[in-house]
Amino acid sequence: EAGVAQSPRYKIIEKRQSVAFWCNPISGHATLYWYQQILGQGPKLLIQFQNNGVVDDSQLPKDRFSAERLKGVDSTLKIQPAKLEDSAVYLCASSLSLAGADTQYFGPGTRLTVL
Amino acid sequence: QQQVKQSPQSLIVQKGGISIINCAYENTAFDYFPWYQQFPGKGPALLIAIRPDVSEKKEGRFTISFNKSAKQFSLHIMDSQPGDSATYFCAASKKSGSRLTFGEGTQLTVNP
Repeated sequence: EAGVAQSPRYKIIEKRQSVAFWCNPISGHATLYWYQQILGQGPKLLIQFQNNGVVDDSQLPKDRFSAERLKGVDSTLKIQPAKLEDSAVYLCASSLSLAGADTQYFGPGTRLTVL
Repeated sequence: QQQVKQSPQSLIVQKGGISIINCAYENTAFDYFPWYQQFPGKGPALLIAIRPDVSEKKEGRFTISFNKSAKQFSLHIMDSQPGDSATYFCAASKKSGSRLTFGEGTQLTVNP
């Protein structure tokens, strides 16, 4: 079974530029998550989708971050404009359903460096 | 704010020894407590998980101990191996939703 795919794996940009990350979840997984992992910290949820609807975006900085999940499959996360403090690994995860006990499977992440 | 506090921040163990990582939580609505293992350059991967209706769960060399009254849970790695060297995260989520709240992580080094 293929895992969660993410691209690009690495991205370096200057502050105030925009950047986009792509995620392809495990086939059949209804729930998709974007987490931000700052170096030395645990992942923090940014946004959660159930199919193509947003379930939780309470910790998403909506003035600069946006995300969409068209057709309930792939998802993109965008940052515009980027700030220095956005330097982090952006992890995408998916799970079969919304149930709290469903295993979340993580992709390898995209490491973003903002200069 | 919902928090999960994890300790120690780093841990060095000799091969064959026991590694113990502790977590404490505040929100009594949490109903699912997984541990994730993360290697450099990789995403976290589920290692073992427990629900609060049991006090202990064992899978191979990995055991979770859960103390509901103290709102604490811990991961024990028996016969630690160099291949276990990784960062370990505890996490928690509510029964009604699936957001995982992660601890800060423990960097485990197992010396040969």
